Amino acid sequence: SQKIEQNSEALNIQEGKTATLTCNYTNYSPAYLQWYRQDPGRGPVFLLLIRENEKEKRKERLKVTFDTTLKQSLFHITASQPADSATYLCALDRTGSARQLTFGSGTQLTVLP
Amino acid sequence: DTGVSQDPRHKITKRGQNVTFRCDPISEHNRLYWYRQTLGQGPEFLTYFQNEAQLEKSRLLSDRFSAERPKGSFSTLEIQRTEQGDSAMYLCASSSLTSGTEKLFFGSGTQLSVL
Repeated sequence: SQKIEQNSEALNIQEGKTATLTCNYTNYSPAYLQWYRQDPGRGPVFLLLIRENEKEKRKERLKVTFDTTLKQSLFHITASQPADSATYLCALDRTGSARQLTFGSGTQLTVLP
Repeated sequence: DTGVSQDPRHKITKRGQNVTFRCDPISEHNRLYWYRQTLGQGPEFLTYFQNEAQLEKSRLLSDRFSAERPKGSFSTLEIQRTEQGDSAMYLCASSSLTSGTEKLFFGSGTQLSVL
């Protein structure tokens, strides 16, 4: 069956360090992969999208990699700040049409001052 | 752009009652989605509309759930004969491919508690 796994435990890091979050998937051939941020009591907010033919994408302090051979995406936040503390979700779309995204269970990141 | 709006933010109901939630998407977005999220889990797809047409429904969606988008603008999600297992955050999202990306804009959700 299709499965998406994110870091199973919460991630705590020190301010200024780089946070690296993992998204692994099985039995998928996604056209692209998305990362969202979710704060408590709020809906997810889109951060980055990376397509199957792209290896890496950057946006300000964020970087996403996509390895379709390993079936893995890595999400990096450089120079992390306490304001980056949130749950980060990866989402896959098999069809490329965004009609039905499948989300991982998320990784809760805490950046300690 | 006022974002996706959902109403109510919180709903407490007794088992067996019917509930209805409303979603107002971003005005120029023709795609609308409903997702459900329980604590510690990611959002789970329920259904998708393009304009007023409901084009996809999750196989997990029981017959007690029905969604409409009558004029291709706002949408309602109704749950009949609620059960305790229906307790969750119900998220609405919208998008438009004309913007060139497939990203979803989510509302803040309706938190449903079934007692």
